[in-house]
Amino acid sequence: SAVISQKPSRDICQRGTSLTIQCQVDSQVTMMFWYRQQPGQSLTLIATANQGSEATYESGFVIDKFPISRPNLTFSTLTVSNMSPEDSSIYLCSVGTGEAGELFFGEGSRLTVL
Amino acid sequence: GQNIDQPTEMTATEGAIVQINCTYQTSGFNGLFWYQQHAGEAPTFLSYNVLDGLEEKGRFSSFLSRSKGYSYLLLKELQMKDSASYLCAAMDSNYQLIWGAGTKLIIKP
Repeated sequence: SAVISQKPSRDICQRGTSLTIQCQVDSQVTMMFWYRQQPGQSLTLIATANQGSEATYESGFVIDKFPISRPNLTFSTLTVSNMSPEDSSIYLCSVGTGEAGELFFGEGSRLTVL
Repeated sequence: GQNIDQPTEMTATEGAIVQINCTYQTSGFNGLFWYQQHAGEAPTFLSYNVLDGLEEKGRFSSFLSRSKGYSYLLLKELQMKDSASYLCAAMDSNYQLIWGAGTKLIIKP
């Protein structure tokens, strides 16, 4: 298992601003995943953060909008840039350290963009 | 395309049994996961099936039929704390998770 700390847990942001979400894991992991979960919907993978290389983005998500850093094997950040109300969502960091590859999630960061 | 289907919402009575179904279509298959997500919290892992059959873990059991692209999560002796969303996710041949929209389970006294 893994213990994942995410912050901020929630924030209210103004349109056009940017916010960086931090994710800290209590063990070294190769891949970290960033998900978005909009109200009443399931999880959508934004990108996979690999240490030492560029993040891999899923269709519909681009680096300019969601830049990711992965400076070491226990830490990653996701920035939501130039926010609009459509970016209001829960953003979740996760790692797949389970025996079956199951994911462990951080507590999530609930962003509200006004 | 790849797709996961599960009911949007189910209601059950405390102490009863409920079965949450999930059908999947993926490019290749490397297992089926069930997660529980309480309102306002992150998902937590419940079960993993990669072979056909039933896996039992306390009050929760999960079943898989690979030939039918079908799984279910069975919850017995329901408790009020079981009120949550249950997410089904299938792993494809590239080890990518395809997520269902979740089933909101409402438990009534």
